[in-house]
Amino acid sequence: DIQMTQSPSSLSASVGDRVTITCRASQNINYYLNWYQQKPGKAPKLLIYAASSLQSGVPSRFSGGGSGTDFTLTISSLQPEDFATYYCQRSYHTPPWTFGQGTKVEIK
Amino acid sequence: EVQLLESGGGLVQPGGSLRLSCAASGFTFSSYAMSWVRQAPGKGLEWVSAISVSGGSTYYADSVKGRFTFSRDNSKNTLYLQMNSLRVEDTAVYYCAKDRTYCGGDCFSPDFDYWGQGTLVTVSS
Repeated sequence: DIQMTQSPSSLSASVGDRVTITCRASQNINYYLNWYQQKPGKAPKLLIYAASSLQSGVPSRFSGGGSGTDFTLTISSLQPEDFATYYCQRSYHTPPWTFGQGTKVEIK
Repeated sequence: EVQLLESGGGLVQPGGSLRLSCAASGFTFSSYAMSWVRQAPGKGLEWVSAISVSGGSTYYADSVKGRFTFSRDNSKNTLYLQMNSLRVEDTAVYYCAKDRTYCGGDCFSPDFDYWGQGTLVTVSS
């Protein structure tokens, strides 16, 4: 199975900072990569699909990039409501549609 | 408004069984593949199972294969996850989730754009 590895596992940042989270697949998954945001006690929310497409209703400060095995999620200017845990997920053809282990973004 | 409402969670002993349901509304249920995703307490997300629009194709994570059965009733807009031979490590919040797009037949588009609120399954003696 294809493994998904996120880095870092956690980070501390301030409001207004630019934040980048990385996700690496153990095999080529083309652009079949999604990003989710999850806040405590809540269901995950789809932010980015197909590596770089912004889900409807998601603020434009979120952007995704990459292809093949290396992907990024960037928050251009961190807002108070962005403190959460972020997960990448492969969506390549057949399952299992594995998630990364998560990156917790905390307030510095 | 799309809504997914899970039910059926609870406390069960190891080796026991439980059936989860997910009632869907606000979209054409029979046009979308669906999945279950779980999250153990304090842990990350784990995809569990998926079902095609007709219910004719199902997939399972290795961790639940042979123990869980995913089905759907398109006439009732409802999903079911039958969980047998439950283990302590199955303890988690279980979410049902909707594929973002319709891709026809037995294909899947596992970009999950809507999720339920989750139902907690606790396996303990």
